[in-house]
Amino acid sequence: GAVVSQHPSRVICKSGTSVKIECRSLDFQATTMFWYRQFPKQSLMLMATSNEGSKATYEQGVEKDKFLINHASLTLSTLTVTSAHPEDSSFYICSAGDREGMPYEQYFGPGTRLTVT
Amino acid sequence: GQNIDQPTEMTATEGAIVQINCTYQTSGFNGLFWYQQHAGEAPTFLSYNVLDGLEEKGRFSSFLSRSKGYSYLLLKELQMKDSASYLCVGGYQKVTFGTGTKLQVIP
Repeated sequence: GAVVSQHPSRVICKSGTSVKIECRSLDFQATTMFWYRQFPKQSLMLMATSNEGSKATYEQGVEKDKFLINHASLTLSTLTVTSAHPEDSSFYICSAGDREGMPYEQYFGPGTRLTVT
Repeated sequence: GQNIDQPTEMTATEGAIVQINCTYQTSGFNGLFWYQQHAGEAPTFLSYNVLDGLEEKGRFSSFLSRSKGYSYLLLKELQMKDSASYLCVGGYQKVTFGTGTKLQVIP
């Protein structure tokens, strides 16, 4: 089956610093990747959708200058949390789809737990 | 919006059968997914329904009624490891996640 990896799995950073999270599709080409955020006991909230080689589409309320997304290849997307603050502490999950258009199954990465101190 | 409604919590006994219901808005609907998510982990795909009827996969089955905007996930022969959140996910122009049903399986 399709495998998506994320790195790092856990990261602790100081307030004001930036953190980069990588999402890779290991055995398929991901035309579309999604970034989600999940706070404790809440559902996944879509942050942005990225297509290879084009700018990401951000959901309402998500600051694109704070959450930088780069989808440089069909197997790699990165999310950079810039100038992180404690309220950015959350579980960040990426997913990838192997074809365009709805609907399709998403393959989820294992998630990255970010703690900002 | 595309409201996805499902119960917040359920409890069932090991070996029993449990049905988790989900209702959704039918406008713009393209299909319905069920995912399982254990605490602290990413969701894993369970099923996808786009046509009416029952899809069976081992101990798990998923049902869809498009006219009623209704789906359910049926878990048979419950095991302790089935304790998790079950997410009903609507396939609209944008994938929309329900808040999830936290299932606790007790001995």
